[in-house]
Amino acid sequence: QVQLQESGPGLVKPSETLSLTCIVSGDSIDSFYWSWIRQSPGQGLEWIGYLSNSGTTNYNPSLKSRVTISADTSKNHLSLKMNSVTTADTAVYFCARMVVVDAFDVWGQGTIVSVSA
Amino acid sequence: ETVLTQSPATLSLSPGDRATLSCRASQSINTYLAWYQQKPGQAPRLLIYDASNRAPGIPARFSGSGSGTDFTLTISSLEPEDFAVYYCQQRSRRLIFTFGPGTRVDF
Repeated sequence: QVQLQESGPGLVKPSETLSLTCIVSGDSIDSFYWSWIRQSPGQGLEWIGYLSNSGTTNYNPSLKSRVTISADTSKNHLSLKMNSVTTADTAVYFCARMVVVDAFDVWGQGTIVSVSA
Repeated sequence: ETVLTQSPATLSLSPGDRATLSCRASQSINTYLAWYQQKPGQAPRLLIYDASNRAPGIPARFSGSGSGTDFTLTISSLEPEDFAVYYCQQRSRRLIFTFGPGTRVDF
């Protein structure tokens, strides 16, 4: 079955760029839509953006100016880049599949990102 | 953007009880609503999509209803493993997604 595995640096300094990878196994990344979602400590869930199976992207308006989502189809992985991070970007970051465009049906286990000097 | 409100914030129940969770949208979202269950240290799990469709592998005790602005997740008889936080999520016509703040179901 499909599995998602996020990875990243764990710790990022303020004003730097956060880069995360989501390795997709058991499915082809160009078959579905894929999203990044984050959850701040003790808080709710915030959708960051998606990459469609045709290569189009769509982002949360509140993050759009700082975020880029892309894919490497040869490696079957998804990437997230977020620039100019602040402590408010400290969160668990999840990647998720969208087998129907309305919902997120498969999630990775998440990767913790702390923004601190 | 559409804002989702969930009530109550916390639902204190016992195994075997019926749980009724509410999600209200600030504007009509047709039936573009999903429900998730999240346990501590885990990713959310999709329960219901398009307001009333159970995701594969989800037990029949979970059901969703509603359309427009008012939606309900019902757990017909709580099992011990159902004590968790439940989130609703909507998508807009422009494919912008937002989540509600969650309802905690505990003892």
